[in-house]
Amino acid sequence: NAGVTQTPKFQVLKTGQSMTLQCAQDMNHEYMSWYRQDPGMGLRLIHYSVGAGITDQGEVPNGYNVSRSTTEDFPLRLLSAAPSQTSVYFCASRGGTSYEQYFGPGTRLTVT
Amino acid sequence: AQSVTQLGSHVSVSEGALVLLRCNYSSSVPPYLFWYVQYPNQGLQLLLKYTSAATLVKGINGFEAEFKKSETSFHLTKPSAHMSDAAEYFCAVSSWGDTGRRALTFGSGTRLQVQP
Repeated sequence: NAGVTQTPKFQVLKTGQSMTLQCAQDMNHEYMSWYRQDPGMGLRLIHYSVGAGITDQGEVPNGYNVSRSTTEDFPLRLLSAAPSQTSVYFCASRGGTSYEQYFGPGTRLTVT
Repeated sequence: AQSVTQLGSHVSVSEGALVLLRCNYSSSVPPYLFWYVQYPNQGLQLLLKYTSAATLVKGINGFEAEFKKSETSFHLTKPSAHMSDAAEYFCAVSSWGDTGRRALTFGSGTRLQVQP
């Protein structure tokens, strides 16, 4: 199993550009989520999904969109990037009866 | 709603000394508690978890944590620090959110330095 994979690893955007961060898992997990990590703030939940076709907002959803058309994939879209979205983004997944979340390696995003 | 407080953003210990990283939580329902470790430029790895079984939980790399309901604490300890333990450690609580779904809330992290 590859576990949770994320692409790209690094990205630089200009203010106003759009992009999609990709996340995939091969563990047939129902629950997937996106976090952002900023210095001194831990990880904050952006959006999550409890299954294909079902998504919900987390703590800091503004400026981000998600969709879940398959169990495996959970992309995160930035529609109009802002410098405040400079961060490291982590995707995570867990099975329906498991309490452990598995994290991807992260995407480091810089918005100039 | 749940929250996590980690006391001390930086902790420095000597190699071979006791490691103690503090975590206090608040939750309106019985929580599940986790410690994750993050090495530089890597993702998060689960160290250990408490899910309402034994209150003393043993994890990987010699770490353990004790759930104390009366103190709402879940402190992480290791008897003897090793240089390879230098990393950032995150405490997290998982409980039912407003939508009825189980969400994970993280503390702000503690960076552990190990001095030779």
